[in-house]
Amino acid sequence: AQTVTQSQPEMSVQEAETVTLSCTYDTSESDYYLFWYKQPPSRQMILVIRQEAYKQQNATENRFSVNFQKAAKSFSLKISDSQLGDAAMYFCAYQAGGTSYGKLTFGQGTILTVHP
Amino acid sequence: NAGVTQTPKFRILKIGQSMTLQCTQDMNHNYMYWYRQDPGMGLKLIYYSVGAGITDKGEVPNGYNVSRSTTEDFPLRLELAAPSQTSVYFCASSRRQGVETQYFGPGTRLLVL
Repeated sequence: AQTVTQSQPEMSVQEAETVTLSCTYDTSESDYYLFWYKQPPSRQMILVIRQEAYKQQNATENRFSVNFQKAAKSFSLKISDSQLGDAAMYFCAYQAGGTSYGKLTFGQGTILTVHP
Repeated sequence: NAGVTQTPKFRILKIGQSMTLQCTQDMNHNYMYWYRQDPGMGLKLIYYSVGAGITDKGEVPNGYNVSRSTTEDFPLRLELAAPSQTSVYFCASSRRQGVETQYFGPGTRLLVL
């Protein structure tokens, strides 16, 4: 079974600085997708960024980028120019390709605090 | 579009009671999912459906049942509620599998006492 591990229960960053959240995963599949979701206090799950495993290029979305190391099974999220609104719980998630029917496996989450 | 809606937002149940959590999506998505999120933890898949009339178990299905009679609706039934089912329940949908975005509802907070 696939597993997703986020080893940092909590992280903090100063406003306008950069922070990196770590995620590792375990799978024997070659076709899969990786996601970072943000969950603010409202509990709404918001997709931040996604990465297809077959793509070598790291995904970027404005201030959010990933460092995808397929051989190391590592998928970290970098947030640049951190803003107060970035404060939330962040979840790394894995989805197998093929006939997985889109099921997501989540990590335990990292609480990000942004200091003004 | 409303996206994915869930009712109720919050509910307190007594041990042994039953209830149905409602989930509706208006995006004509084939794939729908139920997850639960225990305090301080990530989401775990309870059940999923790949279309009307087709459902299957996820990681933590015990104590739950689902049905999918229409594309829009995917209710989750709790029979004989137990304190271990105290959690936040999220419904999600997607057009197809793969890199396709899953859209989540706002969640239902359930407390079993």
